[in-house]
Amino acid sequence: EPEVTQTPSHQVTQMGQEVILRCVPISNHLYFYWYRQILGQKVEFLVSFYNNEISEKSEIFDDQFSVERPDGSNFTLKIRSTKLEDSAMYFCASIDPAGASTDTQYFGPGTRLTVL
Amino acid sequence: QKEVEQDPGPLSVPEGAIVSLNCTYSNSAFQYFMWYRQYSRKGPELLMYTYSSGNKEDGRFTAQVDKSSKYISLFIRDSQPSDSATYLCAMIEYEGNTPLVFGKGTRLSVIA
Repeated sequence: EPEVTQTPSHQVTQMGQEVILRCVPISNHLYFYWYRQILGQKVEFLVSFYNNEISEKSEIFDDQFSVERPDGSNFTLKIRSTKLEDSAMYFCASIDPAGASTDTQYFGPGTRLTVL
Repeated sequence: QKEVEQDPGPLSVPEGAIVSLNCTYSNSAFQYFMWYRQYSRKGPELLMYTYSSGNKEDGRFTAQVDKSSKYISLFIRDSQPSDSATYLCAMIEYEGNTPLVFGKGTRLSVIA
């Protein structure tokens, strides 16, 4: 069964460094999302992406964050200058526009980001 | 304000028990309600999807929505150790490309 994949599974970085989290959505999906989950907290929406541009973003998604679909398969989240409070699980999700429900978001396994 | 409340547990039950998981919400515009299951160090996996008020059954799982009370439930019958996971409720106002609003999740342990 097709699935969303994410790399790396765990990323450790120093405060102030740039990180790029990578996602490969399911191949026929057209809408892509990034969510994050700080340990012990809710899963929070960061940004949605469609047709090569941002559809919606939350207040968390400030100028330090950017997203890109550099080719036909990858979807990336970049954090330019990481802060301690960016430590979290980051989940990528995608939607099948022709599925039984147009809202069924399929999640990847996540990338655990640790900022030291 | 979009807000979803969910008792984080943990909830521990014996194998075979009926489990009841619940969420309340404040935004009356929510119309689509989902339950996700999340195993440790994995991404959320969709379990149930319902629209508006009513019940939906899928095997051992039943989802209930009461929009008048802004209250949703997930029931698990004949619970199994493999059901041990965190259960997240999520909801959206309308179909299409809209972000999910999640509850905090309830951690469930089913003891053999």
